[in-house]
Amino acid sequence: DAGITQSPRHKVTETGTPVTLRCHQTENHRYMYWYRQDPGHGLRLIHYSYGVKDTDKGEVSDGYSVSRSKTEDFLLTLESATSSQTSVYFCAINPDGPNYGYTFGSGTRLTVV
Amino acid sequence: TQLLEQSPQFLSIQEGENLTVYCNSSSVFSSLQWYRQEPGEGPVLLVTVVTGGEVKKLKRLTFQFGDARKDSSLHITAAQPGDTGLYLCAGAKSGYALNFGKGTSLLVTP
Repeated sequence: DAGITQSPRHKVTETGTPVTLRCHQTENHRYMYWYRQDPGHGLRLIHYSYGVKDTDKGEVSDGYSVSRSKTEDFLLTLESATSSQTSVYFCAINPDGPNYGYTFGSGTRLTVV
Repeated sequence: TQLLEQSPQFLSIQEGENLTVYCNSSSVFSSLQWYRQEPGEGPVLLVTVVTGGEVKKLKRLTFQFGDARKDSSLHITAAQPGDTGLYLCAGAKSGYALNFGKGTSLLVTP
């Protein structure tokens, strides 16, 4: 009912394989974000989008790419998964910039073996 | 470099006690937000403070934004087991995204 869903919720993949995580929203919000959450590091921004086909890098973007071809979908791709990318990934949406609250998805737990 | 420092990192208290969580920075923020996260779920927004010196109350939770807009505190009165969770502060500077602190993990035991 929060209007944002992430898929899959859990995934185990092998080192070197590409992986795509999906974030889907029904709120028609302009801003979408991908964060990763790791013990000792908190939430760190990977990439964000401020409109269709408008994306930019965050502080931990190496090894990740994103695409936003529709307002409702924001895809995160790990081009060649590594063990250091084992993490919990959260998508968030926001209507009008960071001064407004984020709504987070429930997360994707990714394990790279 | 962590932009927002939260303290304490861990807090274990008994039901009925009061507590305060701090979020500090050397940077000025246009707004500061507090979230609570439960295991296996995403963070949920509790409050946004915008004006320096602002105080907001949400039932037993009191949030304060520092006068210089560099720090914030969260005070919980008469904590309950349902308050257990990870509390995150997040600040908005220039740009499009929030910067998050590492969080304070709170455990309230009956």
